Amino acid sequence: QQQVKQSPQSLIVQKGGIPIINCAYENTAFDYFPWYQQFPGKGPALLIAIRPDVSEKKEGRFTISFNKSAKQFSLHIMDSQPGDSATYFCAASRRAGANNLFFGTGTRLTVIP
Amino acid sequence: NAGVTQTPKFQVLKTGQSMTLQCAQDMNHNSMYWYRQDPGMGLRLIYYSASEGTTDKGEVPNGYNVSRLNKREFSLRLESAAPSQTSVYFCASNPGQSYEQYFGPGTRLTVT
Repeated sequence: QQQVKQSPQSLIVQKGGIPIINCAYENTAFDYFPWYQQFPGKGPALLIAIRPDVSEKKEGRFTISFNKSAKQFSLHIMDSQPGDSATYFCAASRRAGANNLFFGTGTRLTVIP
Repeated sequence: NAGVTQTPKFQVLKTGQSMTLQCAQDMNHNSMYWYRQDPGMGLRLIYYSASEGTTDKGEVPNGYNVSRLNKREFSLRLESAAPSQTSVYFCASNPGQSYEQYFGPGTRLTVT
C-alpha cells in the first residue's frame, strides 16, 4: 500500500516552463514533507522540505505548496532549465522512531532546451 | 568527509548465491537505512537502524538481513538471492535531530 501517491509519472516541459508535480497522503500523523532530486546513477538528494504548519515554502526556483485539509502537496519549478532534468520524489515522515521516510513513486522530468 | 559510501557499485549474482552489501557513513549519524529502488515503485525501506545496536524491519524485509556493526557501518545481506531482488540498493543515514536523510551512490544488483 503506497502511503504517498505521486503524479505524473513523467513530465516534459520546454525551458522556462513551470513543471508541477503533485503528491497526496492519507496518514495525518505525517509532519514532514520533503522532495528529493535524483540524477541518473546517483543517490537521491534533499531539494526542499516543508512542515504542515505553513502553506508554502520557496527556495530559489523551487516552491512547495501544501494543502493540509486536502492532504496534498506539490512541487513547482520556476523558469525550469535543462539542468533540472532529473527524477523527483516526494516523501513524508512522522516524528517517531528513526524518522522513516515514505516515498512516492517518482516523476521523471525532462526540460527541453 | 566522504558522506555515505557503498560497496560494491555493481554486482551480478546467480540465483541462490549470497552476498553482503556494505555501507559506511562518516558523519557520526545515529540512524541508518537500506532502501531498494525499482522502476515505478519509488524507494522502499528494507530495514533500518535507529541507533547503534538496534535494527528493525521496514516495508519489504523478506529475503534480507542486516547488521549494524558499529555506529559507522550498516550492512545488508542476501542469503539466497532471487531474481526478484534485482534492484538498485541505497543506503542512507540521518543524524537523529532532523528528518533529512543523506543517501549513498547506490549498488546496482542483478540476479540471474
